[in-house]
Amino acid sequence: ETGVTQTPRHLVMGMTNKKSLKCEQHLGHNAMYWYKQSAKKPLELMFVYSLEERVENNSVPSRFSPECPNSSHLFLHLHTLQPEDSALYLCASSSWTSADTQYFGPGTRLTVL
Amino acid sequence: DQQVKQNSPSLSVQEGRISILNCDYTNSMFDYFLWYKKYPAEGPTFLISISSIKDKNEDGRFTVFLNKSAKHLSLHIVPSQPGDSAVYFCAAKEGGKLIFGQGTELSVKP
Repeated sequence: ETGVTQTPRHLVMGMTNKKSLKCEQHLGHNAMYWYKQSAKKPLELMFVYSLEERVENNSVPSRFSPECPNSSHLFLHLHTLQPEDSALYLCASSSWTSADTQYFGPGTRLTVL
Repeated sequence: DQQVKQNSPSLSVQEGRISILNCDYTNSMFDYFLWYKKYPAEGPTFLISISSIKDKNEDGRFTVFLNKSAKHLSLHIVPSQPGDSAVYFCAAKEGGKLIFGQGTELSVKP
């Protein structure tokens, strides 16, 4: 595997479910990001991790809980989501010193019923 | 309030012609700008960037222009090819994070 991978690619969940999104990067980067892309809206930065420490939490509701156990893996734990949380969730990674050039995964298309 | 705006949601161009994608921003503290391209079912991929101290950067068929006084940047693709059909996002760097526009869907017709 090369680049940034995300699983699952598609997820349908009810509002009472708990699920997790997984991201893995094989690029030797030390910064990882979660973005949300809703229809017709810009990509919204949710969380930034640098060297496994959270450095940014962009006013994201607590029903989204990130976890970064090491520099290669990033999770987004989901619980009691709302239908308006349905979106494409993208993971990205970069070198912390070159945070501008981010490499994105293919995304997880999430639908909350 | 959106700091990076792409006011054209879509653009259609004939193969071989020039495609011009536009982006406006409001924050004069942005020091780096980037363009990303996104195909369906894939994540965005980095295309080209420009520092705020420059007004032009060229890479093959792709050229980015920056007009700081107008707070405007544009991406020129010439000649356009059908494989360029994708959604193009401009982004501006603020500190350690990127702020993205809404994207413009480019369609290049054969």
